[in-house]
Order: sequence, then structure tokens, then C-alpha cells
Amino acid sequence: EVQLVESGGGLVQPGGSLRLSCAASGFTFSGYYMHWVRQTPGKGLVWVADIDTDGGTTTYADSVKGRFTISRDNAKNTLYLQMNSLRDEDTAVYYCARDHGAFNAWGRGTLVTVSS
Amino acid sequence: DIVMTQSPDSLAVSLGERATINCKSSQSVLYSSSNKNNLAWYQQKPGQPPKLLIFWASARESGVPDRFSGSGSGTDFTLTISSLLAEDVAIYYCQQYYSFPWTFGQGTKVELK
Repeated sequence: EVQLVESGGGLVQPGGSLRLSCAASGFTFSGYYMHWVRQTPGKGLVWVADIDTDGGTTTYADSVKGRFTISRDNAKNTLYLQMNSLRDEDTAVYYCARDHGAFNAWGRGTLVTVSS
Repeated sequence: DIVMTQSPDSLAVSLGERATINCKSSQSVLYSSSNKNNLAWYQQKPGQPPKLLIFWASARESGVPDRFSGSGSGTDFTLTISSLLAEDVAIYYCQQYYSFPWTFGQGTKVELK
């Protein structure tokens, strides 16, 4: 069974940092591009970043470029999102998702709250 | 960025009746080389992540009931639930994966009448 399990969310002050993880199982992780997508009540679903199969190519939404870094460890079947210089507007549930053209597998998400 | 606009924002449908959701993209998401539309539909129930229903605008994901169907091409797309069940109450999103940044529609809430 395909499983994606996010962790690492929590409450952080503006300007702070968090590192999210997404543990993958049930499929050949190294064979898939992976994404982070976030969701807020006000702005709906917003794509954040993606990474190719070996981690050599990454792409970011303009809103997080220069602040967030997506990476992966194929030996550990884990996807990461390093989030620095966090802002109030980064508050959201963060999902990791598997790329098969569309996103055909999602984790249950981890909540990030940026607040003083 | 490609803007995805769904209509209506919400929809109340009786059990067994048809539900139709529209999605319009600000530019074509049809790849001429493959003749495929890079358009997906997702269903999201409260407290759950989105679930892929339809990809390439009209291909049903494995395990998705055949009452769900997708149609359209270029910039105009439709998700149809042919006969609504109670378990179909959810928010539905369209998404383009034609060009970065991937973008989603604002969502359509389907409720029971």
C-alpha cells in the first residue's frame, strides 16, 4: 500500500525555521518526482515545490523561492522541506504528494502555524 | 501563471441526481505533441487530503467509480457525477499540470439538497 506520512509541523514564530519530512513506503520512492502542496482555508490548495527523482532539479513557487528548500534522501525514502524566514502567510497544512502526471498519492498533511 | 476558475462555488444536488462542475483555465493546457490535456480533478472530504479522481482531463484513476467522468479540452473542462451518492459530498478541485507553477481551482463544494 502506498503511504506518505508527513511530520515536523508545529508552531513557530515569524522569522523562524522548520523542517518538514515525508516518509514514503509501498512504492519505489526513487522512481518518482515528488511535490509539496499547502492548503489554507482562505487560499485553497497551493503548489509549493517539486523535486526530480535524484534531487538534481528543483522548482519553487515564487512565494517561497529563496526561503524554502526541497530535498530528498532516496536511501531513506524520505522527502524534506526546509522552511526558513517563515511568515504569517506560510501558515497552512503542508502535504507531500507523488507525481504521476497528476498527484496520485498524498499524505495526510502536517500543520504549520506561524505566529508570535 | 495559469489561473483556474471553477463554477459554481457550491452546488446542492439531490441523491441520485447529476452534479456538474466546470473548470476554466486562463490558457490552454492541451499539449499538442501528445494531444493530451494536462488537467486533473480531485475530491477532498473534511479532514482528509485530496484524492485524485481524473487525470488527462478524462482518464479515471484506478478504483474511482464510473459515476465520475471528466470531459473537455483546451481551456474548458467539466467533472460530472452522474448519480450523486451521499459519500460524494465533498469539495472538488481542478488542477493544471501543463506549466509551472502548477495551479488549482478555488474548489466547488457539493452538498445534498
